[in-house]
Amino acid sequence: GDSVTQMEGPVTLSEEAFLTINCTYTATGYPSLFWYVQYPGEGLQLLLKATKADDKGSNKGFEATYRKETTSFHLEKGSVQVSDSAVYFCALKQAGGNQAGTALIFGKGTTLSVSS
Amino acid sequence: EAGVTQFPSHSVIEKGQTVTLRCDPISGHDNLYWYRRVMGKEIKFLLHFVKESKQDESGMPNNRFLAERTGGTYSTLKVQPAELEDSGVYFCASSRTAARGKLFFGSGTQLSVL
Repeated sequence: GDSVTQMEGPVTLSEEAFLTINCTYTATGYPSLFWYVQYPGEGLQLLLKATKADDKGSNKGFEATYRKETTSFHLEKGSVQVSDSAVYFCALKQAGGNQAGTALIFGKGTTLSVSS
Repeated sequence: EAGVTQFPSHSVIEKGQTVTLRCDPISGHDNLYWYRRVMGKEIKFLLHFVKESKQDESGMPNNRFLAERTGGTYSTLKVQPAELEDSGVYFCASSRTAARGKLFFGSGTQLSVL
């Protein structure tokens, strides 16, 4: 079945460091890809998404490019801040609208800790 | 606009007891989802409601879990009887449409079964 694999954490960085969190997926067809973020004490929220190959999603300085040839959707940020400390989840969703079996499929999550 | 609300935020029960989790979705969101994250593992889909109907319950682990959404508003997830492996964080999410994958999540209920 479909699955998402993320790099193991935790990832510990100093402020202004470059961030990469790797995400690869296994899926049939052409799923949409997402990064969700969970800040401490809050629910998950959508950070960015891409719906087709070579699309780049971006938000709040974060970027990820849908690479079909490598089945990857790595999350990057050029300069992290303390406020970026959170758990980051990569996810995929098959097309299909309201049909059964089109739920989000998540990876295990990667904890990012940024210190000043 | 109020977000997705879940309660309780934490629940500690003994094996064999019953627990009921509640989720209030964002007003107007017909789609409501339950997910679960067991420590160190993926967030796993449990089920999906469209209004009061179960659209997809393929992720429900067994018949000890019962989800309801009477009237298409709030939802409850009851675990009876609870087992040790049911421990984890239970997330509820809602969305206006199911197609685009943008879900609004609650902060979850941390369930500990001792």
